[in-house]
Amino acid sequence: AQKITQTQPGMFVQEKEAVTLDCTYDTSDPSYGLFWYKQPSSGEMIFLIYQGSYDQQNATEGRYSLNFQKARKSANLVISASQLGDSAMYFCAMREGERGQAGTALIFGKGTTLSVSS
Amino acid sequence: GAGVSQSPSNKVTEKGKDVELRCDPISGHTALYWYRQRLGQGLEFLIYFQGNSAPDKSGLPSDRFSAERTGESVSTLTIQRTQQEDSAVYLCASSLVLAGYTGELFFGEGSRLTVL
Repeated sequence: AQKITQTQPGMFVQEKEAVTLDCTYDTSDPSYGLFWYKQPSSGEMIFLIYQGSYDQQNATEGRYSLNFQKARKSANLVISASQLGDSAMYFCAMREGERGQAGTALIFGKGTTLSVSS
Repeated sequence: GAGVSQSPSNKVTEKGKDVELRCDPISGHTALYWYRQRLGQGLEFLIYFQGNSAPDKSGLPSDRFSAERTGESVSTLTIQRTQQEDSAVYLCASSLVLAGYTGELFFGEGSRLTVL
């Protein structure tokens, strides 16, 4: 069965600094997709970034990048130049199956709370 | 509508009563999920519908929980004989299954259930 682990319950960072949020996963399926979502205190779920298991390059979206280390089964989210608005809970999630296919259910980790201070 | 719609947004009920939560996914999205999120906690997977396939019910915590989906549209999550530990926000999400697409989930605003 697939499993997602986020070991950092809380992280603290100063504005303009970079921060890395850890995520490790476990699956026996060679095809899978990894997702990161942000949940601010308002409760909405905001999709940030996706990485497919066969993608050759690490995914990037603006200030977000995914440090994908397949052999270590890790998919850490890197946020560059942190802003106060980045303060939120961040969830890593995984689905088994190829991009564009239905795949299995999307399973989430327990999340990391990021606090950005000025 | 443009997004995933959930109702009611808030529900307060007495222990032992049954509740129904409704989710209207984005039109054309064949995949639909229900999650439970207790205060300050992560998203707990409950059930996953995909097209005409048998739903993945592996996350339902007990037989008091059930969900139905009408075709590829509305879904209803039913909790029978509610308990105080059922108090949580119930999130519905839908996604598009399309070749080459990431299949990211689009979430509703959730239904906050409080069991007294």
